[in-house]
Amino acid sequence: EPEVTQTPSHQVTQMGQEVILRCVPISNHLYFYWYRQILGQKVEFLVSFYNNEISEKSEIFDDQFSVERPDGSNFTLKIRSTKLEDSAMYFCASSVEREETQYFGPGTRLLVL
Amino acid sequence: EDQVTQSPEALRLQEGESSSLNCSYTVSGLRGLFWYRQDPGKGPEFLFTLYSAGEEKEKERLKATLTKKESFLHITAPKPEDSATYLCAVYQDGSARQLTFGSGTQLTVLP
Repeated sequence: EPEVTQTPSHQVTQMGQEVILRCVPISNHLYFYWYRQILGQKVEFLVSFYNNEISEKSEIFDDQFSVERPDGSNFTLKIRSTKLEDSAMYFCASSVEREETQYFGPGTRLLVL
Repeated sequence: EDQVTQSPEALRLQEGESSSLNCSYTVSGLRGLFWYRQDPGKGPEFLFTLYSAGEEKEKERLKATLTKKESFLHITAPKPEDSATYLCAVYQDGSARQLTFGSGTQLTVLP
């Protein structure tokens, strides 16, 4: 069964450093998403991406964040200058169409020291 | 103001003891309601999609129902392996590319 994959599973970084989180969405899906979940809190929407551009973003997704689909399979989230409060689980998701079911990856646990 | 509210926050059941989890929503124009299961340290695992009031979906011991204000996830004769956090999420008018999640119900099924 096709699934969303994410790498790395864990990332530890120093405050102020740049990190890139990687995702491979399900192959026939057209819509891609990033969410985050701070420990003990709700899953929060960050950004959606379709046709090589951002279609929606939340207030959390400020100038330190960017997304890219560098090739036909990968979808990346870059955090330019990490802050302590960026520590969270980051989930990638994909769907065939808008308003369709989003399938989530296993997540990347990011710890900023 | 919370748009998606789940109750109870935590639920402990004995194996075989059926119960229901609630998800109430106050969004304007529901475009879809989703139930996910999340195990500790893992990503949400899709369970059900519901689009219109009166719709029901079933899978093994789980059954999801939808009204105009809320959704229920009924668990019949649960087993310890059903222990997880169950998340409810919605698409709403004007935000059909982002899911809004509730806080989840943490279910523990004791053997």
